[in-house]
Amino acid sequence: EIVLTQSPATLSLSPGERATLSCRASQSVSNYLAWYQQKPGQAPRLLIYDASNRATGIPARFSGSGSGTDFTLTISSLEPEDFAVYYCQQRLFGPGTKVDIK
Amino acid sequence: QVQLQESGPGLVKPSQTLSLTCTVSGGSISSSGYYWSWIRQLPGKGLEWIGYIYYIGSTYYNPSLKSRVTISVDTSKNQFSLKLSTVTAADTAVYYCAREFWTNSGTAFDHWGQGSLVTVSS
Repeated sequence: EIVLTQSPATLSLSPGERATLSCRASQSVSNYLAWYQQKPGQAPRLLIYDASNRATGIPARFSGSGSGTDFTLTISSLEPEDFAVYYCQQRLFGPGTKVDIK
Repeated sequence: QVQLQESGPGLVKPSQTLSLTCTVSGGSISSSGYYWSWIRQLPGKGLEWIGYIYYIGSTYYNPSLKSRVTISVDTSKNQFSLKLSTVTAADTAVYYCAREFWTNSGTAFDHWGQGSLVTVSS
């Protein structure tokens, strides 16, 4: 069973700043990794699949990179609506990173 | 636009079986290239994948829940269902159904239901 770990657990930033979220797999998953955004009371929303492909309708400020065991989700300039919890997922989900307002 | 909607009891007694149904609209559950999954979120916690079914009936479950989970499909109604047996308070969660599409490298969940809160309590 592949285990995903995410860091940091919480990221406190201001609007306009760059956010860098990390996801590490316990063994190589090649490019099989997705990222989701979840806001309170809502279902998760797919942002990135296959490590670096943006899902339909996702703004260009969201980008994904990495392969093997180390992956990164970057939000180039935080908008107010980007403050949320972010999960990485292979088959199972990582524990999440909360991006909150500093 | 594909939409998914969960339905079922919001309250289940301990030791009983939790049953939920997901109705798919705007697309056929029998389309190739998709799995149909259940995912849950315990209160204030992260996401836990429960299992999936392919329209022909093949299934794959999370090993941690496998002994208690059954997922079935009714293609005539464009629905798939979850049964979780012998529930306890630890199964209290928001249960989501989701469509999982095949990508070049694996899969990803691109459409989700709104979620159904199920509370296990006597």
